[in-house]
Amino acid sequence: SYELTQPPSVSVSPGQTASITCSGDKVGDKYASWYQQKPGQSPVLVLYQDAKRPSGIPERISGSNSGNTATLTISGTQAMDEADYYCQAWDSSTAVVFGGGTKLTVL
Amino acid sequence: QVQLQESGPGLVKPSGTLSLTCAVSGGSISSTHWWSWVRQPPGKGLEWIGEIYHSGSTNYNPSLKSRVTISVDRSKNQFSLKLSSVTAADTAVYYCARGTYESSGSYYGIYFDYWGQGTLVTVFS
Repeated sequence: SYELTQPPSVSVSPGQTASITCSGDKVGDKYASWYQQKPGQSPVLVLYQDAKRPSGIPERISGSNSGNTATLTISGTQAMDEADYYCQAWDSSTAVVFGGGTKLTVL
Repeated sequence: QVQLQESGPGLVKPSGTLSLTCAVSGGSISSTHWWSWVRQPPGKGLEWIGEIYHSGSTNYNPSLKSRVTISVDRSKNQFSLKLSSVTAADTAVYYCARGTYESSGSYYGIYFDYWGQGTLVTVFS
């Protein structure tokens, strides 16, 4: 079955750049999506088709996907960005798959 | 604005069947979207359960396939989940979500742009 692997946690200082990786076999050949989830809330789509932002998502959130790694990048990180982030892709063997999630802490 | 609302019992006995419904408003369930169930055990990550199209076509997570049934009621603009033979491991917040498939050349994927608020189901005797 297909798997996506994320680091359990990432820390960043306010105003700095945070990068969260999502590793999977040839994930660069698939479209990756990313979700932000704050405590007690439902997930929110922040990136789709690797790097496209839905309406209302700030431009400081960006994405890339190549080879075996998809990356979500937050520039000028703010306290409001502190949340869990999940990557997600589709594979013919398992259909929809989510990464294990990364807790972003803004110190 | 599309809205999804889960409903169903919050407690289910072990070996019983979990049943949830997701009501869709602000849009038609007969649109060109797929409708999914996703769950999240307390303190853990997201797990996709399965999806349905308005035609009744379904796809399920292979790890849950033997216990899952997803159905659609176009007249009520809603879809439902049944998970049988539940155990404590099935205790989770269950979300319904709208999925959009995308493709370009050899690239293929799906993203979930609308989610329900989630409902906690506890398997408890």
